[in-house]
Amino acid sequence: AQSVAQPEDQVNVAEGNPLTVKCTYSVSGNPYLFWYVQYPNRGLQFLLKYITGDNLVKGSYGFEAEFNKSQTSFHLKKPSALVSDSALYFCAVRDTYGPSSNTGKLIFGQGTTLQVKP
Amino acid sequence: NAGVTQTPKFQVLKTGQSMTLQCAQDMNHEYMSWYRQDPGMGLRLIHYSVGAGITDQGEVPNGYNVSRSTTEDFPLRLLSAAPSQTSVYFCASSYRDRGSTEAFFGQGTRLTVV
Repeated sequence: AQSVAQPEDQVNVAEGNPLTVKCTYSVSGNPYLFWYVQYPNRGLQFLLKYITGDNLVKGSYGFEAEFNKSQTSFHLKKPSALVSDSALYFCAVRDTYGPSSNTGKLIFGQGTTLQVKP
Repeated sequence: NAGVTQTPKFQVLKTGQSMTLQCAQDMNHEYMSWYRQDPGMGLRLIHYSVGAGITDQGEVPNGYNVSRSTTEDFPLRLLSAAPSQTSVYFCASSYRDRGSTEAFFGQGTRLTVV
């Protein structure tokens, strides 16, 4: 079964320090992987995606993510955190194989709250 | 470019009442979906549609109904509201392809059932 896991409910980091938000996935085929961010009382905003190619993907607001096929992980990273990065982050996956592969269905992790302190 | 528009933003219902959450997109996306967001549970898929006239159930469809008469609109109907349906509801849309394009989300509807 397809699934996404975000093992940390909350990540705390000081402003200026690097941050990592973890995500692991399980799919039957090759994955399409996404990160979304949700600011308070707002909808989800797309940050970045991995489709194919370079394992290091760069996205919006200075975020990047590293795809690791052997570890089935897609961790979100940023070299220097800002207080304004504080938000709820979701990892999501689409399967590229099987009956749901062309339906657009996304499977989400449970979300990780990022708290950046000044 | 409005993207995905959801109405209303907030709603309070009494148990047993019915209502429709509206969702419209102006990007000519084939795929539309409804999710509910509950604390610690991420987003769970309620219903989805791959095009006008085609809908299917997601992970948590009970108590909800959908239809897709046009490409632009995908309303979600609560047939008889229950307190367990208190949640934040998001509509999303994307191109129907092999999955490489990202989804666009509405701003959400915060529903409270008392």
